[in-house]
Amino acid sequence: EVQLVESGGGLVQPGRSLRLSCAVSGFTFDEYAMHWVRQAPGKGLEWVSGISWNSGSRVYMDSVKGRFTISRDNAKNSLYLQMNSLRAEDTALYYCAKDLGLLGGPTGFNGMDVWGQGTTVIVSS
Amino acid sequence: DIVMTQSPDSLAVSLGGRATINCKSSQSLLYSSDNNNYLSWYQQKPGQPPKLIIYWASARQSGVPDRFSGSGSGTDFTLTISSLQAEDVAVYYCQQYYSSPQTFGQGTKLDIK
Repeated sequence: EVQLVESGGGLVQPGRSLRLSCAVSGFTFDEYAMHWVRQAPGKGLEWVSGISWNSGSRVYMDSVKGRFTISRDNAKNSLYLQMNSLRAEDTALYYCAKDLGLLGGPTGFNGMDVWGQGTTVIVSS
Repeated sequence: DIVMTQSPDSLAVSLGGRATINCKSSQSLLYSSDNNNYLSWYQQKPGQPPKLIIYWASARQSGVPDRFSGSGSGTDFTLTISSLQAEDVAVYYCQQYYSSPQTFGQGTKLDIK
């Protein structure tokens, strides 16, 4: 069974840092790109960042560029999101998601076919 | 960034009826090299993560009932549920993956009338 399990969320003060993790099982992790998507309370989905299978390509939404860093450890079947200089507007449920893995395309990334249950980040003083 | 706009924001359809959700992108999502539209549809039920139902605008994800269908090309897309079931009550999102950053529509809430 394919599983994605996020961890590392919590309550953090503005300006501080947090590192999210996503433990993956049930598929060959190093063959797929991965993504982080967030959802603020009562709001819609917001794609945050994506990373290619070999970490050669990393992309971010504009509001987190320079503050967030996506990474992966294929040996540990794990995905990470290092979040620095956190702001109140980063408060959300953060989902880890597996790329659909379709070949080609203009960016090398696709939609997301498997999602974790999410980990909650609350940025507040 | 590509802006995705869904309509309506909410709708209510009778059981067995047809539900139609529209999605418009600010730029074409048609990739000329492979003639695919880089658009997905997701279903999200309360307290659950999103579920992929359609990719490449019209390809149904494995395990998704055939009452769900996607259509459209370029900048205008539609998700149709041909015979609404009670379990289809959810929020539906379109998403483009033609360019980075990927972007979602604001969501359409579907209820039973």
